[in-house]
Amino acid sequence: DIVMTQTPFSLSVTPGQPASISCKSSQSLLHSDGKTYLYWYLQKPGQSPQLLIYEVSNRFSGVSDKFSGSGSGTDFTLKISRVEAEDVGVYYCMQSVQLPLTFGGGTKVEIK
Amino acid sequence: QVQLVQSGAEVKKPGDSVKVSCKASGYTLTGYYLHWVRQAPGQGLEWMGWINPNPNSGVTNYAQKFQGRVTMTRDTSIRTAYMELTSLRSDDTAVYYCARLPGFWIVVVDDYWGQGTLVTVSS
Repeated sequence: DIVMTQTPFSLSVTPGQPASISCKSSQSLLHSDGKTYLYWYLQKPGQSPQLLIYEVSNRFSGVSDKFSGSGSGTDFTLKISRVEAEDVGVYYCMQSVQLPLTFGGGTKVEIK
Repeated sequence: QVQLVQSGAEVKKPGDSVKVSCKASGYTLTGYYLHWVRQAPGQGLEWMGWINPNPNSGVTNYAQKFQGRVTMTRDTSIRTAYMELTSLRSDDTAVYYCARLPGFWIVVVDDYWGQGTLVTVSS
């Protein structure tokens, strides 16, 4: 199974300041079709997860441009340019290049 | 629009079985893979398996951890998928989600989740 390791475990951010979350996979997430199947989700308190970024760096429909993703191979980053109260929750990376799908342990983002 | 609506919360005893349903609207179950993901209290997300969209077979793929205890099925006539977990233990206490997820099996980027079903296992 591919192990997804996220850091940090938690972040406390002043409103308007940036935040960055790292996700490392135990194997390359590059598929033979040329795509890299790395996703970022946000789970707000009491809600189901919602997709933010797909295939490393593409914002999903309706997602604010303050969210950006980067990386390649086994090393990925999610950045939030200006954290606001509505961004509070737990962020997960997920790989779907092979089964079983696996998620990172999550990064809890809160506002200072 | 696409919606996945799950059955209500369940309380079970150790050794029991639970069957969670997931009713789809806005699309047919035979069009997309349907995944099940669970989340223990205060914990992360754990993929359990999927049922594929083939209208004639409903082939499944389960995470090794759940092999032998989980069964995923569907009734296409009522657009409802099911996840049954047997021999319940206290550490099966979790919110169970059905979801359409993105990945290598589909070209279109797809992401829909049910609202979750809390299953509590307690003696």
